[in-house]
Parts: sequence; C-alpha cells; structure tokens
Amino acid sequence: AQSVAQPEDQVNVAEGNPLTVKCTYSVSGNPYLFWYVQYPNRGLQFLLKYITGDNLVKGSYGFEAEFNKSQTSFHLKKPSALVSDSALYFCAVREYQGGKLIFGQGTELSVKP
Amino acid sequence: DSGVTQTPKHLITATGQRVTLRCSPRSGDLSVYWYQQSLDQGLQFLIQYYNGEERAKGNILERFSAQQFPDLHSELNLSSLELGDSALYFCASSGQDRGLTGELFFGEGSRLTVL
Repeated sequence: AQSVAQPEDQVNVAEGNPLTVKCTYSVSGNPYLFWYVQYPNRGLQFLLKYITGDNLVKGSYGFEAEFNKSQTSFHLKKPSALVSDSALYFCAVREYQGGKLIFGQGTELSVKP
Repeated sequence: DSGVTQTPKHLITATGQRVTLRCSPRSGDLSVYWYQQSLDQGLQFLIQYYNGEERAKGNILERFSAQQFPDLHSELNLSSLELGDSALYFCASSGQDRGLTGELFFGEGSRLTVL
C-alpha cells in the first residue's frame, strides 16, 4: 500500500530564514507526489508535484521540493520564509488504482516576524 | 478559486439527524472525491465517483452514502448523525486529460457541527 509520512507536527521558522517541511513516502513503483497548503478555514490549495524528471520541482508562492529516491523523501522548501506562509502543509501520494490522494498527517508551519 | 463548489459552507444540526452535502466539480471533470478532515483523524478519503459510477471506497461509514448525478455534481448523505461526525468535509475533482499525473482541485469544504 502507498503511504506518506510527515514526521513533524509543527515547524517554527523566523521570517527571512529558509524553511523545510519534511515528507517521506512508501510506494512500490514510481511515485506521484504532491504538496498542498491549507490556510485556516479554507480548502486545500495545490503547491507543486513530482511526476518524473528533474528532482527539484518548483511550485507556487516561491516553494520548491526536492525528490530523493534513495531516501524516499520529498521535502518542501523555501529559501526565505514569510509570515504569510504560516499554514498547514500536506504531503500526498496519488494512488495508481482509482487515483485518490493519500495524505500525510500534516505539518503546521509557523513563521514569526 | 479552484472551480469546485461546495454547499453549504457551514451546517449545525443535532444528533440523529440527516444532512446532505453538495459538490459541483470543475467544468468537465469526471472524477469526484470526498474527504473528511477532523482533528484526530486528519484527512481521510471517503469515496470516489467517476462519471456517475462508484470507483473507490475508503473509510466511509455505513451511515454515509454518496452519489454522482448525470450532470456530474455529487452529494454526500450523512444520516443518524453522531457527535463524532463533526468535521470538515471536502470535495475534490480531477480531469482525465493528465490521468494520474494531474492534481486534485479542492472545494472550500462544508463544516458540519453535530450538537
């Protein structure tokens, strides 16, 4: 069965510092990996995805993610965090059968001025 | 704006009651997915429909049911409601043009409170 794990419930970063939100996956075969962000009382917004090709994927709002096959990881990164980046971040893998997204438990990102 | 519309946005009801949540997918999207988000369970997949047919079932209780209509909108019916059913219910849709490589587009959710 496919799964993703987000080992940190919360990440705290100072504004202007780089941020990393971690995700590891377990997939038999090629993984289709996604990052979503959820602001309070809002739906999930797509940030970026890895399907194939370049291991560094660029997405919305200055976010990027690094796919590492040997470490089975797909960490979300941003060079310089903004207070407005504070939100709940979800890593997900798309299941081959049917295509549903399987989500990690989420990581609360807090960026302080 | 994702293009996915969910109604109602908020719903407060009593235990034992029945409610219906509605979802209109993005124009042209054939697949609709329902998810439940609660504090203790995270984001749980409930059920998926593709062009009117049930495609996959997740952790959906027997008290819950769903359907997708010919115009592709979907409804999630929750009956004999319990306190523990209080959650945010999301609908998402996806198109077929990019298959499994495409992202899902989520609505803003319906927040259900059972008192």
